[in-house]
Formats: sequence, C-alpha cells, structure tokens
Amino acid sequence: DSGVTQTPKHLITATGQRVTLRCSPRSGDLSVYWYQQSLDQGLQFLIQYYNGEERAKGNILERFSAQQFPDLHSELNLSSLELGDSALYFCASSPLAGVSSTYNEQFFGPGTRLTVL
Amino acid sequence: GENVEQHPSTLSVQEGDSAVIKCTYSDSASNYFPWYKQELGKRPQLIIDIRSNVGEKKDQRIAVTLNKTAKHFSLHITETQPEDSAVYFCAAYSSASKIIFGSGTRLSIRP
Repeated sequence: DSGVTQTPKHLITATGQRVTLRCSPRSGDLSVYWYQQSLDQGLQFLIQYYNGEERAKGNILERFSAQQFPDLHSELNLSSLELGDSALYFCASSPLAGVSSTYNEQFFGPGTRLTVL
Repeated sequence: GENVEQHPSTLSVQEGDSAVIKCTYSDSASNYFPWYKQELGKRPQLIIDIRSNVGEKKDQRIAVTLNKTAKHFSLHITETQPEDSAVYFCAAYSSASKIIFGSGTRLSIRP
C-alpha cells in the first residue's frame, strides 16, 4: 500500500457525461500528479499540482480539468466523455514540487478504471 | 515534440538469464530517469532511478546506465526470476516538470 488513495475504484458511464475522480495523497506529500493509462498503452502525464497550485501540464485535454484543495486532496474532472476516454487513471503524490528533485519519489495510487459506453 | 522511445515492446527470457530494456529520449533538458515496474492490474512502482550526473547505478540484481551524449538509458536485470515478470516503463523528467513515459516492455520469464 503506497498510502495514496483513489476513489472510485471503477466507474462506468455513458458518452457525453461528466465524472469526477478523487485522490488523497500520502500524508505530508504536497504534490499530486494525474496520469492516464489506456489499454495496452503507456502512461500519459496529464497534470501536476503542488500545494494547491497548478505546477505542470502534460497532454491534458481541454475537456479535462483538475484542482487541489486546501486539505491537499485532488480531483480530476472529465467532461463530454468519449469512448476513447476509457482508461485507467492514476494519481501519484510526492513530497516536493520539482519532479526531478532528490528524495521526491512519486508513489502511485491504485487507480480508477473508467469505462465509457 | 519530446518523446521517449522504449524497446523492445515484449521480451521473453529464460529464468536465470539477463534482460535488457532500452530507452531513448529527445529532450536534452531531461535530468531524471526512473524505471517503473507494473504488475498486472496493479499500480506502477519505482524500482530504480538515475540522475543526469551519474552514469550507472546498481541495486542488487537491477542496474541502470545512462549515456547523456546519446540520450540513451537502459535497465539491466540479472539472474531473472519468475517474479520479475511484469511491464516495465522508463520515463524522462526535466526540470521544467515535463514527464514523458516510454510505451512499456512486457517482460516474461520462462521457467
């Protein structure tokens, strides 16, 4: 157990709908990262938040948005869902902001599997 | 744009033999190169990493080498065991917080 929690574990919804995925980082970690892993695909970095502020953006679609709250949990909002959005969404957390800083290992949550029908 | 190429996509080795997975990156600002292991249905876990000021790092049966000039880094697993079977991902991180993963290598260990 990495100490990072994600809810829900599974989510099934229809095209055009909107969903929210939730992540609670490890105690003491200030950074949260979101990743998308499509079937048989690698990990795509979506976005990073550090202490409530957006820190870095990857290949995140405009239909997707995220935020990090004062208690440091984060939510990823996916709207106007398409079939191709079906994937495993991972959240990870780390203590610091700089992704390549020493002692800033990312710990991944168990993921949320999203199925869009 | 920046990318990370990972080869091979699948690899099957006899138990006890060595396995090598290679990655090439394009962003010369990349300075941190972790390797993750992902077992079926589970989360990625960091197994080893290397920073741009180091050429090689070892941790028991696992080693990583980095050639900054060639923008190339490799994962070496010696004396492979059945529990090494998994998908392995390389990644390249830059100080600009760009994080790019390779497409993964599915490693199978034959008994």
